[in-house]
Amino acid sequence: GAVVSQHPSRVICKSGTSVKIECRSLDFQATTMFWYRQFPKQSLMLMATSNEGSKATYEQGVEKDKFLINHASLTLSTLTVTSAHPEDSSFYICSASPPETGTYNEQFFGPGTRLTVL
Amino acid sequence: GENVEQHPSTLSVQEGDSAVIKCTYSDSASNYFPWYKQELGKGPQLIIDIRSNVGEKKDQRIAVTLNKTAKHFSLHITETQPEDSAVYFCAASRRGNNRLAFGKGNQVVVIP
Repeated sequence: GAVVSQHPSRVICKSGTSVKIECRSLDFQATTMFWYRQFPKQSLMLMATSNEGSKATYEQGVEKDKFLINHASLTLSTLTVTSAHPEDSSFYICSASPPETGTYNEQFFGPGTRLTVL
Repeated sequence: GENVEQHPSTLSVQEGDSAVIKCTYSDSASNYFPWYKQELGKGPQLIIDIRSNVGEKKDQRIAVTLNKTAKHFSLHITETQPEDSAVYFCAASRRGNNRLAFGKGNQVVVIP
C-alpha cells in the first residue's frame, strides 16, 4: 500500500513553455500532498503544501505564479511550471500523506520527475 | 524551526558489516522520525520510521533507535549488501506541523 505515482518521469522542453507534472496516490486518499525540488547531491527542498479543495501553501522564496499547484481531488495534485527557463531544470518529487497518519507526518514519495529546460 | 543534522556525510562499509547513521534534531517537540532511502534517479523510499513513544524499532536488517533526551536517532543496517548502497535521509516532524525537516543525506557505499 501507500503507492504514489508521478507522470511524466522525465520531460525536456524549450525555454518559455509550460510543463505539467501529475502526482497521484494510487491506493489511498490524500488530503495533503507536498511538492519538493531536489538539486544534484542535495537534500529535498519543500516547495509547497497542497490541500485538496484549497489553495496551496508555498514556502518562502517559491513563486506561486511560476509554480502553479492544483489539488483537484483526493488522489491527484498537479504542478505546472510556467514559462520554464533553464534554471528551473531540476528533479521534482511529490509526496502524499494518508489520512490515518493522524498527528504523525507520514509521507510517501513519488518516483520523481526530471525536468530539463533547454 | 526544526534543524536536523546528519552524520557522517559519506560512509563506506564492507559487504556483511554493519552501517550506522546518526541524526540529531533541535526541536524537543518532534514526535516522528522517518528514514528514507533514495537510489540514483528515484524518489525517496520510506524504509523505517519511529514515533516518540518508543525507543527502538526493527524490521529485518534495519533498525532505528531514538534517544529523546539527547535528541538524536540512528539508523542501523546489519549484514549490509551491495543493494543497500544509496543515499539515506533522516527527517523529523512535530505534532501539528505537517512538514518534514530533512537532514542533508548520507551516501552509503557497500563494497563487495
